[in-house]
Amino acid sequence: GAGVSQSPRYKVAKRGQDVALRCDPISGHVSLFWYQQALGQGPEFLTYFQNEAQLDKSGLPSDRFFAERPEGSVSTLKIQRTQQEDSAVYLCASSLGDGANVLTFGAGSRLTVL
Amino acid sequence: AQSVTQLGSHVSVSEGALVLLRCNYSSSVPPYLFWYVQYPNQGLQLLLKYTSAATLVKGINGFEAEFKKSETSFHLTKPSAHMSDAAEYFCAVSDPGYSTLTFGKGTMLLVSP
Repeated sequence: GAGVSQSPRYKVAKRGQDVALRCDPISGHVSLFWYQQALGQGPEFLTYFQNEAQLDKSGLPSDRFFAERPEGSVSTLKIQRTQQEDSAVYLCASSLGDGANVLTFGAGSRLTVL
Repeated sequence: AQSVTQLGSHVSVSEGALVLLRCNYSSSVPPYLFWYVQYPNQGLQLLLKYTSAATLVKGINGFEAEFKKSETSFHLTKPSAHMSDAAEYFCAVSDPGYSTLTFGKGTMLLVSP
């Protein structure tokens, strides 16, 4: 597609529910990143894929967070047993080459956990 | 470890005035530096980047930034603010050998008529 597409744009979950956030990167982009942006903060790195390989998951805050990109294109970020502190905007970004030099960001998925 | 400090969570200017958004970085190796802009309910858009070529970098919408190694700074400027510049601006740093960006907390630019 023309840009990075994320769905859903808005998600409200009750504490303890599982959620799945989808990212469709730009076609042909090798690298894919997930960032978490809390209210009033800058984006914070969660995880990085190069094609289908998850090369860095050091930013995932707990084992409740899981990301995958099985065919090297679409990626899903899954959060199990959501907590209130998980409320944030989850940003997906992709880039043509390896590394983060020129990232194209999606509009984000805003998660609110009640 | 890398870090970015953006001075001022909010900056207010009048339309036509100079825009100056400050960014200082910390990096153990020569960094790559970026400025992104975020409009409400939209993703981050790249304004400009420094990757060890010219120290004065020109970006989109009339913005530019100067890399000053001695001051570990990468401040963003625009000679004359426009109402459409009102948005949140993020400075970011990466190590050329790394795959991730480290962002500052952002500066909200407010432009008054």
